Amino acid sequence: EVQLVESGGGLVQPGGSLRLSCAASGFTFSTYAMHWVRQAPGKGLEWVSYISSSSGSIFYADSVKGRFTMSRDNAKNSLYLQMTSLRAEDTAMYHCARGLRPVDYWGQGTLVTVSS
Amino acid sequence: DIQLTQSPSFLSASVGDRVTITCRASQGISSYLAWYQQKPGKAPKLLIYAASTLQSGVPSRFSGSGSGTEFTLTISSLQPEDFATYYCQQVNSYPPLFTFGPGTKVDIK
Repeated sequence: EVQLVESGGGLVQPGGSLRLSCAASGFTFSTYAMHWVRQAPGKGLEWVSYISSSSGSIFYADSVKGRFTMSRDNAKNSLYLQMTSLRAEDTAMYHCARGLRPVDYWGQGTLVTVSS
Repeated sequence: DIQLTQSPSFLSASVGDRVTITCRASQGISSYLAWYQQKPGKAPKLLIYAASTLQSGVPSRFSGSGSGTEFTLTISSLQPEDFATYYCQQVNSYPPLFTFGPGTKVDIK
């Protein structure tokens, strides 16, 4: 069974940093592109970042470019999102998701709250 | 950047109703469009990809159609478990950035 389990969310002050993790199981992680997608409370879905299976290509939404860094460790079946210079508008549930066309499995998410 | 719009943004329907949701793209996206269902507090669930291909395990009452700039998701006979928010999504060829529509909430009449 495919499982994606996010962790690392929490309450952080504006300007602070946080590192999210996504533990993958039930599939060959190293062969799949992965994404982070976020959803602010009561709002729609917003794509955040993409990483190819080998980490050779990484792309970010303009809203997080220069502040967030996505990475993966295929040996550990893990995906990461290092978030710095956090702003109130980064408050959201952050989901990791598998694949490209299609993006077929999503984790339940980890909540990031940016507030003083 | 490609923008997606959905209509309606809110839909009130009864069990057994036929429901159609439309997704329009600001420019042609050939056939790469997906539909997701999301229930409160849950992760999105893939229903349809490549505009009309039903994801494994998804009931056949869900169907998708369209190409170019206009796409539809149809639920042939709405069931109690179908009350949720539905999002369309497109993926650029390269770079592989993707965009979601704003969502359509399907509520019980």
